[in-house]
Amino acid sequence: NAGVTQTPKFRVLKTGQSMTLLCAQDMNHEYMYWYRQDPGMGLRLIHYSVGEGTTAKGEVPDGYNVSRLKKQNFLLGLESAAPSQTSVYFCASNNEEGRSHYEQYFGPGTRLTVT
Amino acid sequence: EDQVTQSPEALRLQEGESSSLNCSYTVSGLRGLFWYRQDPGKGPEFLFTLYSAGEEKEKERLKATLTKKESFLHITAPKPEDSATYLCAVLGGSTLGRLYFGRGTQLTVWP
Repeated sequence: NAGVTQTPKFRVLKTGQSMTLLCAQDMNHEYMYWYRQDPGMGLRLIHYSVGEGTTAKGEVPDGYNVSRLKKQNFLLGLESAAPSQTSVYFCASNNEEGRSHYEQYFGPGTRLTVT
Repeated sequence: EDQVTQSPEALRLQEGESSSLNCSYTVSGLRGLFWYRQDPGKGPEFLFTLYSAGEEKEKERLKATLTKKESFLHITAPKPEDSATYLCAVLGGSTLGRLYFGRGTQLTVWP
């Protein structure tokens, strides 16, 4: 199993450009999440999904959109990138069927710089 | 609001010098407290889940414990390869699936 994969690994955007980050998991997990990690801020939840076709807002959703058209994929979109969106983005997934599945498994991250 | 505070922010230990990292939390209806390890340039790697006060879990040189207000990650006789940032997160009962993370403790173990 590859676990959770993210593409791309690095990206540099200019202010106002758009892009989509792709997250894929092969563990048949129902729940998927997008976080951003900034120095001194810890991991913060952007959006999440509790199943195919569903999405919900997290702690810092403004400026981002998401889609979950297939169970294994979760896409994060930036419609008009801003320098404040410079960050490292992590995707995670898990199931919530029983206690042993609460833990979330993370991808390797996408480092995004907006100039 | 659910909150997680980790201390210290950074810790330097000599190889073999045991110590503990702290994670204090406020959450309504704790469903789980999680410890992760994060190496530079990588995603967090799951270590432990603790569900109720009094619970303990061990893995190699690491031991995690939980009380009603805080969790400790004890590191016994650390080695340089234990150097990483250790993250604590809580899952409350009121917010489906949402983990609240602390800012982490950056551990450096020198030979």
